[in-house]
Amino acid sequence: DQQVKQNSPSLSVQEGRISILNCDYTNSMFDYFLWYKKYPAEGPTFLISISSIKDKNEDGRFTVFLNKSAKHLSLHIVPSQPGDSAVYFCAASEGTGANNLFFGTGTRLTVIP
Amino acid sequence: NAGVTQTPKFQVLKTGQSMTLQCAQDMNHNSMYWYRQDPGMGLRLIYYSASEGTTDKGEVPNGYNVSRLNKREFSLRLESAAPSQTSVYFCASSVTPGRIASPLHFGNGTRLTVT
Repeated sequence: DQQVKQNSPSLSVQEGRISILNCDYTNSMFDYFLWYKKYPAEGPTFLISISSIKDKNEDGRFTVFLNKSAKHLSLHIVPSQPGDSAVYFCAASEGTGANNLFFGTGTRLTVIP
Repeated sequence: NAGVTQTPKFQVLKTGQSMTLQCAQDMNHNSMYWYRQDPGMGLRLIYYSASEGTTDKGEVPNGYNVSRLNKREFSLRLESAAPSQTSVYFCASSVTPGRIASPLHFGNGTRLTVT
């Protein structure tokens, strides 16, 4: 049973506009959330994270929002660039340790020039 | 700085054959992991090694064995390959076990097909 869900397999956005990628989770014990970005033929690379004690974390063009009551997080990319075209994975951890890390199925973002 | 290196990049096996996927990291990380990625399933943890000399099962360990050869190397072995093990395999490492602020660093993957 998938504990971390990304219900949109794909998303297309015009260059310069905002990209919003969504992620839902079912386990209320998750307390750390991460986003990874993956290009074809490469491994995922860490993008941004957020702890459950926060509701927002920002790093340059990337902002992650966490809504604990709704068990929902989102990744905002502003402005979107063609180089952002990739598959984005949401991941969540219960307690400490990457051995407790659960990944979503990914959303393929295409930024159209 | 190579990061996490996986070999081979591609492999085709017949059912029942065995093989070992190799992984090495040069970042002096304590923890290493093996994941598999299947369509519609996300990444799932097969085995992990929190530190040199220890290994533990992850979410989907059946059909696999691992060896933490030293701090740098963590191998994944398929003793008798099955078509259900057709997947993309990723090795990853992280700095310190138990530290949630330590993200995973992934290799570029091994695409395995079992016919």
